[in-house]
Amino acid sequence: GAVVSQHPSRVICKSGTSVKIECRSLDFQATTMFWYRQFPKKSLMLMATSNEGSKATYEQGVEKDKFLINHASLTLSTLTVTSAHPEDSSFYICSARDRSGSAYNEQFFGPGTRLTVL
Amino acid sequence: GQNIDQPTEMTATEGAIVQINCTYQTSGFNGLFWYQQHAGEAPTFLSYNVLDGLEEKGRFSSFLSRSKGYSYLLLKELQMKDSASYLCAVRRSMASGNTPLVFGKGTRLSVIA
Repeated sequence: GAVVSQHPSRVICKSGTSVKIECRSLDFQATTMFWYRQFPKKSLMLMATSNEGSKATYEQGVEKDKFLINHASLTLSTLTVTSAHPEDSSFYICSARDRSGSAYNEQFFGPGTRLTVL
Repeated sequence: GQNIDQPTEMTATEGAIVQINCTYQTSGFNGLFWYQQHAGEAPTFLSYNVLDGLEEKGRFSSFLSRSKGYSYLLLKELQMKDSASYLCAVRRSMASGNTPLVFGKGTRLSVIA
């Protein structure tokens, strides 16, 4: 299957700082990428859908000014957590859609980024 | 709106068979997925159903009934390594053309000796 990478895998920051997480599709072009957040022992919650070259579509309850998403190229989407607070500590996972794949194999997940805000 | 329900936890014995159920109510349906997730790791794809019926893949099978909004994942010959969370996800159709996966809360399966 296709490979999606995330960087960094783990980040610890002070409250009030901003953190950028990168999501890259390594061997395919991803016109659409999805950002999820997962709290301990909870399931993945869709935060936003990111389309290359256009504004992201945010799920209800997700602050777009808090979680800035940029999808500037077909292989890279970034999520910036601005003015991070301890409650933003979570596991952030991106997934990318490979439109060239078969239906069931279209969406691949990155390894996730563990964010801890002190 | 969307609502995807599955049991929170299940326990089964090594070598046995376990069935994990999932019911869903979503606005727009474009396929149902099952993923396995070990703690601290990303989900890995297990199965996909878009038509009614049973899909079998080795020790894992998945069933879908669209009229009932119901699916199950069947795991046979359980192994200790099958202890993980199992996530039911529905691919949602949107007017924008985007089709994100929306996940249930996951079922934590513990396989015991």
